[in-house]
Amino acid sequence: QKEVEQDPGPLSVPEGAIVSLNCTYSNSAFQYFMWYRQYSRKGPELLMYTYSSGNKEDGRFTAQVDKSSKYISLFIRDSQPSDSATYLCAMKAAGNKLTFGGGTRVLVKP
Amino acid sequence: EPEVTQTPSHQVTQMGQEVILRCVPISNHLYFYWYRQILGQKVEFLVSFYNNEISEKSEIFDDQFSVERPDGSNFTLKIRSTKLEDSAMYFCASRDLFYNSPLHFGNGTRLTVT
Repeated sequence: QKEVEQDPGPLSVPEGAIVSLNCTYSNSAFQYFMWYRQYSRKGPELLMYTYSSGNKEDGRFTAQVDKSSKYISLFIRDSQPSDSATYLCAMKAAGNKLTFGGGTRVLVKP
Repeated sequence: EPEVTQTPSHQVTQMGQEVILRCVPISNHLYFYWYRQILGQKVEFLVSFYNNEISEKSEIFDDQFSVERPDGSNFTLKIRSTKLEDSAMYFCASRDLFYNSPLHFGNGTRLTVT
């Protein structure tokens, strides 16, 4: 079983729709969970950072963590064409190493 | 907003040559990292660096790789003898000293080994 699994997509939605992304993981030691957005040939850009289980909201973005199910989600409300990118989940236990999912490509069509 | 900057954006080198990838982390950050992303694959951890020494490294980070903070602002990754399979995007990242603060990434250097 891969340590972090993420559907590669592409996920195509109309402008204004809610984008729903998720990752599953196998390592129960993961405590810190992040979502990054990556445009083509650019570096990962931090969107959301959460610790342990629960919800966190920031503008149009909501991150959810369910440690009991080893499942994390990112929701993007009122999606815009500029949200078209690859979304990477990343997580870590205590220590330095971030483990990434493979990324989900999202296309928001005008 | 402060950002991590990397140079060059694209480096082409011949197999067996040495390359140095350069990074300027965010100025008040104290933890520095290199990650790489082979085309179509996941972003992978290479090494973390704190207080002028390597704090953690992956199995990818073998003797061909080294890191250095030559001055107060730069952080470099050296690959001594490049191989074709070293072709990838190399991302530098940094974070501040607060425990488990998130990483901020640069835009990467695309390394092409021919």
